[in-house]
Amino acid sequence: QQQVKQSPQSLIVQKGGISIINCAYENTAFDYFPWYQQFPGKGPALLIAIRPDVSEKKEGRFTISFNKSAKQFSLHIMDSQPGDSATYFCAATFSSNTGKLIFGQGTTLQVKP
Amino acid sequence: DVKVTQSSRYLVKRTGEKVFLECVQDMDHENMFWYRQDPGLGLRLIYFSYDVKMKEKGDIPEGYSVSREKKERFSLILESASTNQTSMYLCASSVSGSYNHEQFFGPGTRLTVL
Repeated sequence: QQQVKQSPQSLIVQKGGISIINCAYENTAFDYFPWYQQFPGKGPALLIAIRPDVSEKKEGRFTISFNKSAKQFSLHIMDSQPGDSATYFCAATFSSNTGKLIFGQGTTLQVKP
Repeated sequence: DVKVTQSSRYLVKRTGEKVFLECVQDMDHENMFWYRQDPGLGLRLIYFSYDVKMKEKGDIPEGYSVSREKKERFSLILESASTNQTSMYLCASSVSGSYNHEQFFGPGTRLTVL
């Protein structure tokens, strides 16, 4: 029940296309869902996050779609650029938690010019 | 800016050696974490600490121990390194009780055990 399952493991998209990464969770007590972005040679960094009281959150070209009934959430990168090439991790946690995040398996995105 | 530094970017050790990985954060964060990152397995939590001298096991603590004697420093110890501990090790820190649980990561230490 603590797992977060992420797919696909890798993704290749043409410049200007839409990149979509999906995550699923089991524990309905999770109430905070962040996405982290990791460039080669760097540690992950918070990209965007959502709480389950909204179905969508948009920040620039990045959008999280959240489906509470299906226990799924996804990251959409519109107009994907080569600079978006990175590894993306979804995560989940409880607001009352000590700060632990449960991470998905990661998706390596390559955006071809 | 929050800065999390790790003592080494690359480390090569022999099987059976005792290995110390050091992590320092400069933002007075209460929480600190050690993860290992392996392809296809994501970020797996080894240990975390929510206060000085406090520690809790994560998902994969076997073969590892930790030490937190000062608030800014969190050490990961491999008592007797084995080849299956070859991995990327990431340290992170966060503010206790923050609304978004944002974790700030160091650049990682790539450990190779021969």
